[in-house]
Amino acid sequence: DMKVTQMPRYLIKRMGENVLLECGQDMSHETMYWYRQDPGLGLQLIYISYDVDSNSEGDIPKGYRVSRKKREHFSLILDSAKTNQTSVYFCASSWGDQDTQYFGPGTRLLVL
Amino acid sequence: GDSVTQTEGQVTVSESKSLIINCTYSATSIGYPNLFWYVRYPGEGLQLLLKVITAGQKGSSRGFEATYNKEATSFHLQKASVQESDSAVYYCALSDLPGTGSNRLTFGKGTKFSLIP
Repeated sequence: DMKVTQMPRYLIKRMGENVLLECGQDMSHETMYWYRQDPGLGLQLIYISYDVDSNSEGDIPKGYRVSRKKREHFSLILDSAKTNQTSVYFCASSWGDQDTQYFGPGTRLLVL
Repeated sequence: GDSVTQTEGQVTVSESKSLIINCTYSATSIGYPNLFWYVRYPGEGLQLLLKVITAGQKGSSRGFEATYNKEATSFHLQKASVQESDSAVYYCALSDLPGTGSNRLTFGKGTKFSLIP
């Protein structure tokens, strides 16, 4: 069953707290992504991971970091969350250099 | 940089009527981008609806069609007869430099479709 999962699905944090968003996939995809989507905007790429410990910044990496220690897991970390990081976060994965991406259901994060 | 512009906001149509969501793109690479339509149903992640990689070709899936028009730089999504289950947010996207190892997609802002009650 080809699937991308995200945990948690909903999260409320206070400004300054640390946030950990988890993503998993069962397709052995090499490449994984983190996006955020805000109202009225398209998906914005935060980070790409090409494989374990091989991560690259996307278009809006500031305020975020990522960790990929196993091919099937990709974490997004917000150290000291800010209110402007309130958003819906999507994780995705794809085969190697193929451009069709498979998405998780999203995590809705509210930073108060 | 690359950009995708699609019908803004929300579109409402009566059941069994036709739907069209416009999409135009700008790609900075030399050559042809790959073009996509993704769909997000309520409570779910984005999923690929259709993909076309050759200019002039048409992609189709679940009754939806889109034709890659290189001259007009367009990739409009159409369906002849919509139903309740089509209610979702639709995203047009492009992949520039296909085949080069560049995996990045550029998305439009999304268009929400719902039936007129």
